[in-house]
Amino acid sequence: EAGVAQSPRYKIIEKRQSVAFWCNPISGHATLYWYQQILGQGPKLLIQFQNNGVVDDSQLPKDRFSAERLKGVDSTLKIQPAKLEDSAVYLCASSLGGTVKGAEAFFGQGTRLTVV
Amino acid sequence: GNSVTQMEGPVTLSEEAFLTINCTYTATGYPSLFWYVQYPGEGLQLLLKATKADDKGSNKGFEATYRKETTSFHLEKGSVQVSDSAVYFCALSDPRFNKFYFGSGTKLNVKP
Repeated sequence: EAGVAQSPRYKIIEKRQSVAFWCNPISGHATLYWYQQILGQGPKLLIQFQNNGVVDDSQLPKDRFSAERLKGVDSTLKIQPAKLEDSAVYLCASSLGGTVKGAEAFFGQGTRLTVV
Repeated sequence: GNSVTQMEGPVTLSEEAFLTINCTYTATGYPSLFWYVQYPGEGLQLLLKATKADDKGSNKGFEATYRKETTSFHLEKGSVQVSDSAVYFCALSDPRFNKFYFGSGTKLNVKP
């Protein structure tokens, strides 16, 4: 089966510019996650969708970050305006959702963002 | 609340050495436990998992046992290879909300 697709793989922008990342989850996966991974750290959840509804966005800096999941499939994450501290790898993941015990999260390859 | 603590790295071993990476967790409810591996420039890949107490997950020579009494899920491998060099993340999932909690990762370097 096809995995989680993300684009672009790399992005370099200047501070105060805007950037958008795209994610296509595994077909049939109801739950979609966006994580931020700063170098040397574990993934930090930014936002979790269940179908096209937001389950948790408590750690999303809403003054500059936004995300949507139209029609409960693809998702985009946007940063506007970017700050130097936003330099990180942005990982998208998906899982079956529901109450399937032990359902794993499948990760995309990530987008490495560098803000200069 | 839910959290995962794993041993800090980096861990440097010679090829064919025995590997242990410690992981302990705090959880409400009955979590599932996972080990993920991340190779340079890649996303996280599932290595193994366990869904209930005393379950043993295994894959590619790696093993981990879900120990409820010690709230631990230590990763072990009897003989590491250079190709095992990567960052390893311990994680738990809260099935009530389908949320995942990750440790900070342990970098493993295996020398020939």
